[in-house]
Amino acid sequence: GESVGLHLPTLSVQEGDNSIINCAYSNSASDYFIWYKQESGKGPQFIIDIRSNMDKRQGQRVTVLLNKTVKHLSLQIAATQPGDSAVYFCAERNMGNTPLVFGKGTRLSVIA
Amino acid sequence: EPEVTQTPSHQVTQMGQEVILRCVPISNHLYFYWYRQILGQKVEFLVSFYNNEISEKSEIFDDQFSVERPDGSNFTLKIRSTKLEDSAMYFCASSDVRWVIQYFGAGTRLSVL
Repeated sequence: GESVGLHLPTLSVQEGDNSIINCAYSNSASDYFIWYKQESGKGPQFIIDIRSNMDKRQGQRVTVLLNKTVKHLSLQIAATQPGDSAVYFCAERNMGNTPLVFGKGTRLSVIA
Repeated sequence: EPEVTQTPSHQVTQMGQEVILRCVPISNHLYFYWYRQILGQKVEFLVSFYNNEISEKSEIFDDQFSVERPDGSNFTLKIRSTKLEDSAMYFCASSDVRWVIQYFGAGTRLSVL
């Protein structure tokens, strides 16, 4: 069956350091992945996405890396700021038009 | 920036009562979704809606649930007879392309007593 999981449930980083949040997925047929950020009391906010025909995609201060060999996805946040503190979760889509499957999330805490 | 809006932000109801959760998706989006998130757990897909009909639904979306787009802007989720286990955050989302970037509302917290 499908499953999306996270290696670390919590991550604490110093302000200014880089953060790396990991996500493992089990469905090798997944062709699309999204990272969301969820702040307390708010809905998930889109950060970045990547298709399976890519292994890296960059946004503003964020980079997503996709390793299909080991079915691993990571989100890198450069120069982490206090405003980055939130729960981050990845979601995958099985090939074609199927619902997104969400992971449980990693809580990122930024220490000032 | 366009956003998905949801009302109410918090709904308290008695078990067995009907509730309607309301959403206004982003205006030029064509695909609409409802998700649920029980406290501390994953976001779970409930239903997707396109062209005035349900396109996919999960096992959670049983006969107690229904969705409707009553006019050109609103998208509603109805739970006919709420159960204690329906207590959760309910998120509405919309997208302009199916199953890619979905934009979420702030959610409605449903508390069933």
